[in-house]
Amino acid sequence: AQSVAQPEDQVNVAEGNPLTVKCTYSVSGNPYLFWYVQYPNRGLQFLLKYITGDNLVKGSYGFEAEFNKSQTSFHLKKPSALVSDSALYFCAVRDKAGMDSNYQLIWGAGTKLIIKP
Amino acid sequence: NAGVTQTPKFQVLKTGQSMTLQCAQDMNHNSMYWYRQDPGMGLRLIYYSASEGTTDKGEVPNGYNVSRLNKREFSLRLESAAPSQTSVYFCASSVMSGQYNEQFFGPGTRLTVL
Repeated sequence: AQSVAQPEDQVNVAEGNPLTVKCTYSVSGNPYLFWYVQYPNRGLQFLLKYITGDNLVKGSYGFEAEFNKSQTSFHLKKPSALVSDSALYFCAVRDKAGMDSNYQLIWGAGTKLIIKP
Repeated sequence: NAGVTQTPKFQVLKTGQSMTLQCAQDMNHNSMYWYRQDPGMGLRLIYYSASEGTTDKGEVPNGYNVSRLNKREFSLRLESAAPSQTSVYFCASSVMSGQYNEQFFGPGTRLTVL
């Protein structure tokens, strides 16, 4: 069965420090991977996606993510955190080979990122 | 462009009442989705519409119905609300239902069922 795990409910980082939000996945075939961000009382916004090609994907607001097939991970990173990065972050995956779930993303439970001044 | 809009923003219902959540998108997207978000559970797909004229069940369809009124609008109906349906509901759309297309989300409807 397809699944996504975000092992940390909350990540605390000091402003200016690098940040990492972890995501691991399990699919039967090769994955499509996504990161979304949700600011308080707002809908989710797309940050970046991995489809194929370069394992390092760059996205919005200075975020990037690294696809690691051997570790089945897709961690979200940023070199220097801003207080405004504080939000809820969701990882999602879709199995390229999946036919029954062509239209369904499998979502992680979310990680709350808190950036302290 | 307004993107994806949802009405209402907030709603309180009593058990057994019915209501319809409205969603519209102005991006000419083909596919639309309804999710519910509960604490610690991420997003769960209720129903989706891959294209105008089609709808299909997602992971948690029980207690809900949908209508794809036209290409722009996709509504979610609760016929007899239950406390278990207390949640935040998000509508989303994407260009196509293809596997790699990102989804665009509305601001959400916060529903409380007493």
